[in-house]
Amino acid sequence: QLQLQESGPGLVKPSETLSLTCTVSAGSISTSTYYWGWIRQPPGKGLEWIGSIYYSGSTYYTPSLKSRVTISVDTSKNQFSLKLTSVTAADTAVYYCARHVGAASGRTDCWGQGTLITVSS
Amino acid sequence: DIVMTQSPDSLAVSLGERATINCKSSQSVLYPSNNKNYLAWYQQKPGQPPNLLIYWASTRESGVPDRFSGSGSGTDFTLTISSLQAEDVAVYYCQQHYQTPPTFGQGTKVEIK
Repeated sequence: QLQLQESGPGLVKPSETLSLTCTVSAGSISTSTYYWGWIRQPPGKGLEWIGSIYYSGSTYYTPSLKSRVTISVDTSKNQFSLKLTSVTAADTAVYYCARHVGAASGRTDCWGQGTLITVSS
Repeated sequence: DIVMTQSPDSLAVSLGERATINCKSSQSVLYPSNNKNYLAWYQQKPGQPPNLLIYWASTRESGVPDRFSGSGSGTDFTLTISSLQAEDVAVYYCQQHYQTPPTFGQGTKVEIK
């Protein structure tokens, strides 16, 4: 069964860059049917889609974060990554990596367990 | 962006009774070429990631109990739990996957009365 696992530092200082990696196991990231994305959830709040990537490297970002976000893929390692620059306290959230079906904005049929990222000095 | 609005924000239902959650989109999520509504429902239990229940408004994901059903078209949708079980206590989210960025409703918390 496909598994996604986020990794990265849990604490980031304001104005610095948040970096996370998602490792895909029991399945290939280089599959034509799927896109690979990031979704976040501030504590006690709702879900926000950040962006997604196809294994070829094509990327799609939510407009409100586009200037600060980069998503990349490493097919040789079966991983994809998120970088979010110039973070503030408003970026504190649980960050999920996820698989989207059929399109960059497709339904999300598989999620990582999530990792809490706290922005604080 | 398409705005998704759920109602109610929370509801309490007795075990075995029906629970109904509504979701409204700010524009149609019906794709004319295939007549599919790009609307999904997710269940999120505390400390867990969301879990896909329904997509294309009414198609149950594999393994989802048949007490969960989705209906609606265009801009108005409903998730129904026909007979609430204790394990159904969770927050439920609708999501449009019609266009980028995909957007979620604010969530509906379902509790036992």
